[in-house]
Amino acid sequence: AQKITQTQPGMFVQEKEAVTLDCTYDTSDQSYGLFWYKQPSSGEMIFLIYQGSYDEQNATEGRYSLNFQKARKSANLVISASQLGDSAMYFCAMRPLDDKIIFGKGTRLHILP
Amino acid sequence: SQTIHQWPATLVQPVGSPLSLECTVEGTSNPNLYWYRQAAGRGLQLLFYSVGIGQISSEVPQNLSASRPQDRQFILSSKKLLLSDSGFYLCAWSVIGVGSNSPLHFGNGTRLTVT
Repeated sequence: AQKITQTQPGMFVQEKEAVTLDCTYDTSDQSYGLFWYKQPSSGEMIFLIYQGSYDEQNATEGRYSLNFQKARKSANLVISASQLGDSAMYFCAMRPLDDKIIFGKGTRLHILP
Repeated sequence: SQTIHQWPATLVQPVGSPLSLECTVEGTSNPNLYWYRQAAGRGLQLLFYSVGIGQISSEVPQNLSASRPQDRQFILSSKKLLLSDSGFYLCAWSVIGVGSNSPLHFGNGTRLTVT
């Protein structure tokens, strides 16, 4: 069965520090996609970054990078130089072959001034 | 450009009353459409998934149903709401195909409170 696991319910990080949000996934599909979303307190879902299972290089988007370790089935999000505006809920998601995109339970990130 | 509209933004309904939430997408054709529910402080649970008109896949047994009467319209319904139906409902669309790096595009959500 397809599954996404985020083991950190909450994290507190000092402003300007880097932060890593953990995500592991389980699938028997050979081809799949991995996503990260940010959800501020307003509730909107903001797409951050995408990694395809066949992509050899880790994805990067500005301050966001995805540390993709395929053998370990891990897709951690790294935020460099954290800002107060990064405080939000973060979700890891997977698109398997059947396109039924599933999400983890999320990590609530608090950036401290 | 593509946009997704979801309404209403908030809804308070008594137990046993019916429900209808509507979602429409503009600027794209034949999208995959999704309904998710998010309980307070928790992750997104996939409720329904559709690849085309009249084609609905139900992912979780429940008293909710979904319909797709038009290519870009997705409706979530219930005949009789339960207290456990309270939550934040999100509609989303995506381009078909796992090879695509197209992410899910979400509506602004409906916060449903069943009293």
